[in-house]
Amino acid sequence: DVKVTQSSRYLVKRTGEKVFLECVQDMDHENMFWYRQDPGLGLRLIYFSYDVKMKEKGDIPEGYSVSREKKERFSLILESASTNQTSMYLCASSLRSTQETQYFGPGTRLLVL
Amino acid sequence: KNEVEQSPQNLTAQEGEFITINCSYSVGISALHWLQQHPGGGIVSLFMLSSGKKKHGRLIATINIQEKHSSLHITASHPRDSAVYICAVRRAGTASKLTFGTGTRLQVTL
Repeated sequence: DVKVTQSSRYLVKRTGEKVFLECVQDMDHENMFWYRQDPGLGLRLIYFSYDVKMKEKGDIPEGYSVSREKKERFSLILESASTNQTSMYLCASSLRSTQETQYFGPGTRLLVL
Repeated sequence: KNEVEQSPQNLTAQEGEFITINCSYSVGISALHWLQQHPGGGIVSLFMLSSGKKKHGRLIATINIQEKHSSLHITASHPRDSAVYICAVRRAGTASKLTFGTGTRLQVTL
């Protein structure tokens, strides 16, 4: 079974703090994704990576950066957290083929005070 | 207007009822996904469709490419089917990226 894990289920941070969200997958997937999920808006893509050290902006990259130094690990960084970044963050991974299924982690619920 | 629209937003059914959730999209796609999200956040993929119909247990998904419409059906619904069901499309020519609907919250009561 594919397993995608995220470093924290719940996180509380203060405005201005630097926040790291980590995602690890164990199935040698090329693609990894970071989404945020907000009520009434659905999942929105922040960034994705199709290979080590490769990244591409999604629909809402502002205020975020990412790092992929190893194939199995994809990190989302909030350089200076703001209250409007309070959200559920979901990581996913998939194979590179064009008809791949995405496998999701359990999510991190982040509260920025 | 969202590229992916789902209806209804909320649905309550009694155990045993036949349930239909609809998804309409406005862009050319290469595939459509149905996903399930239980309370607590975890999302699992139910189906990936590019044409026709797929069945898995009590779940059936259909897609009509010409009408840009897909349906997810649940037969003999059960309280454990209570979840949010999400439709997502892979836009043609965008490789791996998905665009998501806002989800349908289903509650099945005894």
